[in-house]
Amino acid sequence: DIQMTQSPSSLSASVGDRVTITCRASQGIRNDLAWYQQKPGKAPKRLIYAASSLQSGVPSRFSGSGSGTEFTLTISSLQPEDFATYYCLQHTNYPRTFGPGTKVEIK
Amino acid sequence: QVQLVESGGGVVQPGRSLRLSCAASGFTFSSYAMHWVRQAPGKGLEWVAVISDDGTNEYDADSVKGRFTISRDNSKNTLHLQMNSLRLEDTAVYYCARAVTVVHAFDIWGQGTLVTVSS
Repeated sequence: DIQMTQSPSSLSASVGDRVTITCRASQGIRNDLAWYQQKPGKAPKRLIYAASSLQSGVPSRFSGSGSGTEFTLTISSLQPEDFATYYCLQHTNYPRTFGPGTKVEIK
Repeated sequence: QVQLVESGGGVVQPGRSLRLSCAASGFTFSSYAMHWVRQAPGKGLEWVAVISDDGTNEYDADSVKGRFTISRDNSKNTLHLQMNSLRLEDTAVYYCARAVTVVHAFDIWGQGTLVTVSS
């Protein structure tokens, strides 16, 4: 199975800050990576697919990059509604595997 | 609009069975692969199973293999998860999610249904 790791596991940031989350795969996954945002009590919402493609309707302050084994999700200017937990997902192989999540909290 | 609505969750004793359903609307259900993903209380996301658009291909996580069965009824736009021999560690919110094909990442998720396995 492909193992996914994320760093940091949590972070505190202020509105307007630039935030970067890293996701690493235990083996190469090309660009078969998606990023999801989850707020408490809600279903995850896809932000990024194919590592760097922005999901329709998602604000342009979200961006993704990377390929192979290392990927990043960047929020260029953090907004109040962005405080949530973020997960990466590899969809190269089955079983699909998620990163453990990064919780973004208000400083 | 595109919508997935799960149902069938509840409290069940260890070793018993439960069947979850996911009703799809707002898109051509038979053109999409469908997944189940779960989330134990306070934990991260765990993929459970996938079924292809025509129902001919399925993959399951090792943690549920031999106990859970994913199926679909394209005539009723409905996805199912038959869960047998339930264990305490199966307690979770179960989400259905769609994907363009079995190769793609899920894009739309349902709101989830809670399954609690408890004696």
